[in-house]
Parts: sequence; structure tokens; C-alpha cells
Amino acid sequence: ILNVEQSPQSLHVQEGDSTNFTCSFPSSNFYALHWYRWETAKSPEALFVMTLNGDEKKKGRISATLNTKEGYSYLYIKGSQPEDSATYLCAFQGGSEKLVFGKGTKLTVNP
Amino acid sequence: DAGITQSPRHKVTETGTPVTLRCHQTENHRYMYWYRQDPGHGLRLIHYSYGVKDTDKGEVSDGYSVSRSKTEDFLLTLESATSSQTSVYFCAIRPGLAGGPAKQYFGPGTRLTVT
Repeated sequence: ILNVEQSPQSLHVQEGDSTNFTCSFPSSNFYALHWYRWETAKSPEALFVMTLNGDEKKKGRISATLNTKEGYSYLYIKGSQPEDSATYLCAFQGGSEKLVFGKGTKLTVNP
Repeated sequence: DAGITQSPRHKVTETGTPVTLRCHQTENHRYMYWYRQDPGHGLRLIHYSYGVKDTDKGEVSDGYSVSRSKTEDFLLTLESATSSQTSVYFCAIRPGLAGGPAKQYFGPGTRLTVT
């Protein structure tokens, strides 16, 4: 069974803090790593898809990096705002059309 | 909005009864997926479909069956619902052709309670 781990499980930060969390995945048979943002009572929404070792993606104050050789990805949020509060999921894609999701990191940004 | 709807959005049913959840898409995408979401488990794949009448199992397929008789609809059936199947069920679609990054778009979810 493929294992995708996310840490920490939850995180509380103050508005304006920068934060980051980790996704670990198998380094073999890698095709893509996906990040999703999931707000309470809504559906997950895609943030980034990364395929190449060393890839970096950025969307506003959120960015992500990818290391396929060691099997990890970091998600960074600069200057957290209350509207960034959500669960952030990563998903591993190997040689198929299926995604294997981690359990997520729940971020709470306090005003 | 990826044109995905799920029905019903909420359902309460009794143990042992059959339940069918429907996922409908308007864009004729080939790939469709059913996930369940439970506290402490994230999203887990139940079944997916790669075309009409073409389906495959995910990691938690026991107790579930699926059917796809037309492109736009992907049905998930619990033949005899159990309390362990109380969950939120999400349908997803994956646009594009096979072989690329499988970016998925999710429906609004169905909250199922089995009493």
C-alpha cells in the first residue's frame, strides 16, 4: 500500500506569520505531486501540480517545492491570512490515473 | 465550476438497505472517481472509471459497486449499507487524455448517514 504522509496534522498560526508544511511520498514510480486546498464545507480545489524534480510553483502568497529524489514536497504560505484557513492535501500520482492522498494538514490562522 | 453535481446531497438510511449515489458531469470527461472522506483518513479512493462500462477498484472498494452506462453519470451503490459506510462521499472528474498529470475536480459531496 502506497504511503503519503503529511505533517504536521494541524497547525495554528497568527495572522501575518509565514508557515510551511510537508508531504512525503514514495520516490519510486513518481509521475506527479498534487496540492489541494480544502475549505470547511466545500470541495477540494487544486492548487498546484508538479512533475519535475526541483519544480517550484507559486500562486499569490502560496508556493510549493518538489524533491522527487528524496520524496518530499513543501507548501509555504507567506504572511498567513484568516482566509488561508483550510486543510491542505497533497496527492501522489504514480504510473496511473489514480491519486493517493495524504491525510492533510489543517491550518488555522487566528486574526 | 467543473459542471459536477451529486445527488442526493444528504441521505440517512438504515443498516442493510441498498443506497445509490449519483455523480453527474456535463463536460463528457472520460475519467470519473468516487472517494470517501472520514476524519483521520483524508480522501480514499473507492472506485474509478476510465470510460463507459470501464471501471476499476480503489483502495477501499469492499462493500461498494459502481456502474457507468453513459459518459455523464457514474453511480456508486452500497448493496447493503453498514454503519461503517457513514461518510462524506465525493465524486471527481479528471479532464484531458490519459498519460498526463491527473488533476481532478471535485463535486460538492454527499453526506451519508447509516443508522
